[in-house]
Amino acid sequence: DARVTQTPRHKVTEMGQEVTMRCQPILGHNTVFWYRQTMMQGLELLAYFRNRAPLDDSGMPKDRFSAEMPDATLATLKIQPSEPRDSAVYFCASGLGGAADTQYFGPGTRLTVL
Amino acid sequence: AQSVTQPDIHITVSEGASLELRCNYSYGATPYLFWYVQSPGQGLQLLLKYFSGDTLVQGIKGFEAEFKRSQSSFNLRKPSVHWSDAAEDFCAVLMNRDDKIIFGKGTRLHILP
Repeated sequence: DARVTQTPRHKVTEMGQEVTMRCQPILGHNTVFWYRQTMMQGLELLAYFRNRAPLDDSGMPKDRFSAEMPDATLATLKIQPSEPRDSAVYFCASGLGGAADTQYFGPGTRLTVL
Repeated sequence: AQSVTQPDIHITVSEGASLELRCNYSYGATPYLFWYVQSPGQGLQLLLKYFSGDTLVQGIKGFEAEFKRSQSSFNLRKPSVHWSDAAEDFCAVLMNRDDKIIFGKGTRLHILP
């Protein structure tokens, strides 16, 4: 049963530290999405890749966030420096096409910035 | 700007009872429409989606949704809920295939035994 995996599942860090979250999309999927979920804002799209190229990262604060796909089996989301307002659950999802096609979500990384 | 509204933050129903969760969107044309479910501590899973054609869409786990253009709605229904349906359900809209998907704030579904 193919699944999207995310590491770490939980991360507690102090303000100012660098945070790196990793995602392994389902093998063969060519589209990767990063979302952030908070109680206040709900689920927000941060970035969207197709064939490892960024298509849309307009939802991401550019000064501190960066998203990359070093290869087809790994997507990373980095925050540097982290701030308490970054505390949220970060989800990665993968799919075979664009946003209109089924997205398969990972279990998420729960980030707490103290 | 496009938007999606789920008017009910929480819904409580008894096991075996019928369910309807509301979703309304704001856009001039017919968007792509989705319902996703999130079980506690998990990621989202697609229940069903509508692009065109028959306005009554069948999904997984016995869920269905009906697209009503005149009401700009895409309500989710289930004739008889099970305790395992307790979760948070999200309606989502997408205007073009490569556009940004917009999720509603979600409706948390509680099931009474």
